Amino acid sequence: NAGVTQTPKFQVLKTGQSMTLQCAQDMNHEYMSWYRQDPGMGLRLIHYSVGAGITDQGEVPNGYNVSRSTTEDFPLRLLSAAPSQTSVYFCASSYFNEQFFGPGTRLTVL
Amino acid sequence: GENVEQHPSTLSVQEGDSAVIKCTYSDSASNYFPWYKQELGKRPQLIIDIRSNVGEKKDQRIAVTLNKTAKHFSLHITETQPEDSAVYFCAATSLSGYSTLTFGKGTMLLVSP
Repeated sequence: NAGVTQTPKFQVLKTGQSMTLQCAQDMNHEYMSWYRQDPGMGLRLIHYSVGAGITDQGEVPNGYNVSRSTTEDFPLRLLSAAPSQTSVYFCASSYFNEQFFGPGTRLTVL
Repeated sequence: GENVEQHPSTLSVQEGDSAVIKCTYSDSASNYFPWYKQELGKRPQLIIDIRSNVGEKKDQRIAVTLNKTAKHFSLHITETQPEDSAVYFCAATSLSGYSTLTFGKGTMLLVSP
């Protein structure tokens, strides 16, 4: 099993550009989440999904969209990137509340 | 919603000493408390967790204690080694249905040889 995979590993965007961070898992987990990690702030929940077709907002959802068309994939879309979205993004899938994290995407918005 | 406070933000110990990291939570419905270790540039990894029907859980040099009345839980690492150096995060959630994990802000542990 590959577990949770994320692409790309690194990305630099200009303010106003849009992009999609990809996340996939092969463990057949129903629950998936997106977090952002900023220095001194811990991990903050952006959006999550409890199954295909169902998504909900977390603590910091503004500026991000998600969709969940399959159990395996949970992409995160930045609609119009802003410097405040510079961060490390982690996708996770969950089984009985244990979170399995992907390797992360380091995003810089100039 | 849940609020998790974690202390200290940084902790320096000598190799062989013990390290203790403390967390408090606000939601009395929370009943699952995991701890994650994150090495520099890597993903968080679960190291131990505890559920509210037990007060203490141990796994080799790592232990977690829970006081539900006071709403706090702690991570104890004994006989620390340089490879224990990392950022540690506590978290809290409810096991009823699906509840999101709320994380503390992290503790950077530095173990000096």
